[in-house]
Amino acid sequence: AQKITQTQPGMFVQEKEAVTLDCTYDTSDPSYGLFWYKQPSSGEMIFLIYQGSYDQQNATEGRYSLNFQKARKSANLVISASQLGDSAMYFCAMAYSGAGSYQLTFGKGTKLSVIP
Amino acid sequence: GAVVSQHPSRVICKSGTSVKIECRSLDFQATTMFWYRQFPKKSLMLMATSNEGSKATYEQGVEKDKFLINHASLTLSTLTVTSAHPEDSSFYICSARLRYEQYFGPGTRLTVT
Repeated sequence: AQKITQTQPGMFVQEKEAVTLDCTYDTSDPSYGLFWYKQPSSGEMIFLIYQGSYDQQNATEGRYSLNFQKARKSANLVISASQLGDSAMYFCAMAYSGAGSYQLTFGKGTKLSVIP
Repeated sequence: GAVVSQHPSRVICKSGTSVKIECRSLDFQATTMFWYRQFPKKSLMLMATSNEGSKATYEQGVEKDKFLINHASLTLSTLTVTSAHPEDSSFYICSARLRYEQYFGPGTRLTVT
């Protein structure tokens, strides 16, 4: 069974500082994808970044980067130069092709608060 | 990027009535759509996988007769909450799959009184 673990229920970061949100996963499927989503108070799920299990390099998207350590089964999200608008819930998720439909399994989320 | 709409965004209904929620992929075709439920301060829980032209696949513990899913076209999936009760009050989110990515709708907040 696939499992995503986010051990930080809440995190605080000073504006303009960098922050790392932890995510570990467990799967026996050799082909999988890892995602990070941001959910502001409005409820919308906003896609941030994707990392494929066969990707050699860590994914980056603007201020977001994914620290992918395959042997440790971790996929931490790094947000550089935090902004007040980054305050939100962040979910790590994994999709696997085993089910044929690329279902997503979500972690419990981390609430990030950016302090001015 | 790919856009998914959801309608309505908020709905209040009386206990015993049925409510239909629509999920549309606006600029792409989605053979697979997903329906999630989210309780306050909790993560998303997958309810069912909806495939165009076939019956939905429900997750364990989700009542098929209560949460009716219809994926009649490549851009539309509907979730009908039948005979709604207060415990069905929740935030319902759909997503549409494009290749390996899922694009989420803005969600529907259902309140059953």
